[in-house]
Amino acid sequence: GDSVTQMEGPVTLSEEAFLTINCTYTATGYPSLFWYVQYPGEGLQLLLKATKADDKGSNKGFEATYRKETTSFHLEKGSVQVSDSAVYFCALKESSASKIIFGSGTRLSIRP
Amino acid sequence: GAVVSQHPSRVICKSGTSVKIECRSLDFQATTMFWYRQFPKQSLMLMATSNEGSKATYEQGVEKDKFLINHASLTLSTLTVTSAHPEDSSFYICSARGQGDPEGYTFGSGTRLTVV
Repeated sequence: GDSVTQMEGPVTLSEEAFLTINCTYTATGYPSLFWYVQYPGEGLQLLLKATKADDKGSNKGFEATYRKETTSFHLEKGSVQVSDSAVYFCALKESSASKIIFGSGTRLSIRP
Repeated sequence: GAVVSQHPSRVICKSGTSVKIECRSLDFQATTMFWYRQFPKQSLMLMATSNEGSKATYEQGVEKDKFLINHASLTLSTLTVTSAHPEDSSFYICSARGQGDPEGYTFGSGTRLTVV
């Protein structure tokens, strides 16, 4: 079945460092891909998404490109801030399905 | 934007008792709601999908008699953990989707259940 594998955390970086959180997926069809973020004490929020190959999703300085050839959707940010500390979830949804399949989440901590 | 309110955020209960978790869509009508469970350091696992006014569809391996889901209105879904045991301790999170927005999933803030 469909699945999402993402980089294990926790990831600790200094402010202004470059961030990459790896995500790969397995799917039978052509899914949409998502990154969700969960700040402490809050629900998951959609950070960005891409619906087809080579699409790039971007939001709040974060980017991820839908790479069909490597079945990947890595999350990147050029310069992280303390306020980016949160748990990040990679996810996919098949077009024919209603449910979202999540990766295990990566906890990111940014040091001032 | 769309907001989903989930209560309680934390609950501790004794073994053998039942616990109800509520999920409300505050500013939109949620035609479909999803309930997830998350074990430490693991993925959110979908437990069930419920459409307003109909019975929930449970994922394989989820006991429907133990995890009762009710979606009686377009703004409220409840999950009741019946006869809770320590192994039911987990983080439960709901998600709601409005009509006409196939990828507009809004999540609640989750409920940490501890069964002692």
